[in-house]
Amino acid sequence: DTAVSQTPKYLVTQMENDKSIKCEQNLGHDTMYWYKQDSKKFLKIMFSYNNKELIINETVPNRFSPKSPDKAHLNLHINSLELGDSAVYFCASGTAAYEQYFGPGTRLTVT
Amino acid sequence: AQSVTQLGSHVSVSEGALVLLRCNYSSSVPPYLFWYVQYPNQGLQLLLKYTTGATLVKGINGFEAEFKKSETSFHLTKPSAHMSDAAEYFCAVSDRNSGNTPLVFGKGTRLSVIA
Repeated sequence: DTAVSQTPKYLVTQMENDKSIKCEQNLGHDTMYWYKQDSKKFLKIMFSYNNKELIINETVPNRFSPKSPDKAHLNLHINSLELGDSAVYFCASGTAAYEQYFGPGTRLTVT
Repeated sequence: AQSVTQLGSHVSVSEGALVLLRCNYSSSVPPYLFWYVQYPNQGLQLLLKYTTGATLVKGINGFEAEFKKSETSFHLTKPSAHMSDAAEYFCAVSDRNSGNTPLVFGKGTRLSVIA
């Protein structure tokens, strides 16, 4: 009964390819997030969606495009991948009490 | 803008010793405060949080943290370390004046437990 799930767990691809990461939550939360964890383990917000509406878009290249088909899903599409995009991407969903539940992460490696 | 400072990128303790991981925040209004743990190749798990009320909060796995407004701190402690506590620990804050704001994380502290 996974609360926040992500697929795939590992993604290895070449530069300039386009890839997607999917996220689903079964917690009934209205808000979902994408975070990026770099090689030094630093976590930073990328996007935030509330009820399928984009509410936060940090300074992320426009090659990254989130899409929320419904409030239980938030997918991340990345165009024209670059070496610097290699990282672990975490999806999370949040409650009104501000705590957030994280998915297991997707380790993206761009070669 | 809020920021979080975790003193010590790596802390090493002996099994059975006290664990103390430090976290300080900077914001004019005390934020909501969280500690998360990340085991190798896994996602983040919430250990505990402070939103309001009692300033000493207890979490899972025997951890607790105390919110000290005067020191802008939210240090994490555990009386007796276990080998299974070895992991990366993140302190995080969110703005209590805005709904559904994302978390701002510290840089993390790696805890090693020596047998």
